[in-house]
Amino acid sequence: GENVEQHPSTLSVQEGDSAVIKCTYSDSASNYFPWYKQELGKRPQLIIDIRSNVGEKKDQRIAVTLNKTAKHFSLHITETQPEDSAVYFCAASPLAGNQFYFGTGTSLTVIP
Amino acid sequence: DAMVIQNPRYQVTQFGKPVTLSCSQTLNHNVMYWYQQKSSQAPKLLFHYYDKDFNNEADTPDNFQSRRPNTSFCFLDIRSPGLGDAAMYLCATSSRQGAWNNQPQHFGDGTRLSIL
Repeated sequence: GENVEQHPSTLSVQEGDSAVIKCTYSDSASNYFPWYKQELGKRPQLIIDIRSNVGEKKDQRIAVTLNKTAKHFSLHITETQPEDSAVYFCAASPLAGNQFYFGTGTSLTVIP
Repeated sequence: DAMVIQNPRYQVTQFGKPVTLSCSQTLNHNVMYWYQQKSSQAPKLLFHYYDKDFNNEADTPDNFQSRRPNTSFCFLDIRSPGLGDAAMYLCATSSRQGAWNNQPQHFGDGTRLSIL
């Protein structure tokens, strides 16, 4: 099955700085990569996603990049704000299946 | 609003006493998932339904079962809960129409299960 690794496990940044979270996956058949934000006690919520036929996608302050050859993808948050503080999970979904496999999570703290 | 609803939000059961968690959706999605999430950990996929087809993950204990009587509802049955089964259980849905059409998952608020 798919194995998704995520780094770092914790990340603290000053407000206004950028944050980068990286994930690697093992199954070259994975073709869809969503990112979720989960606040304490709440449901995971999709913030951005990317498909394997695209190298980069951006939505306002959030961007995701994908390197299929190296099997890694990254989340970039610019101009961080205190409300960006949460746990972020990457996930990978295979071409031939419906499963989503999650990374281990990154706890992001934005210091005002 | 179309959504994924999980009941109850909090469930307390006794060690070894069967418990059922429920999930319903108004999104008419064909795929429904159950995840287990323990504190400070990632959601762990237990199983999913693609329409009526049940797909179990290889490492899901036999103690966990699921039923999907129709498109809208899916149940998680824990036959003999142990202390290690205390966790948040998340239900999610997605719509899959083809090989290149993975769609995002929509999650419910979860049921927090405690074992006495």
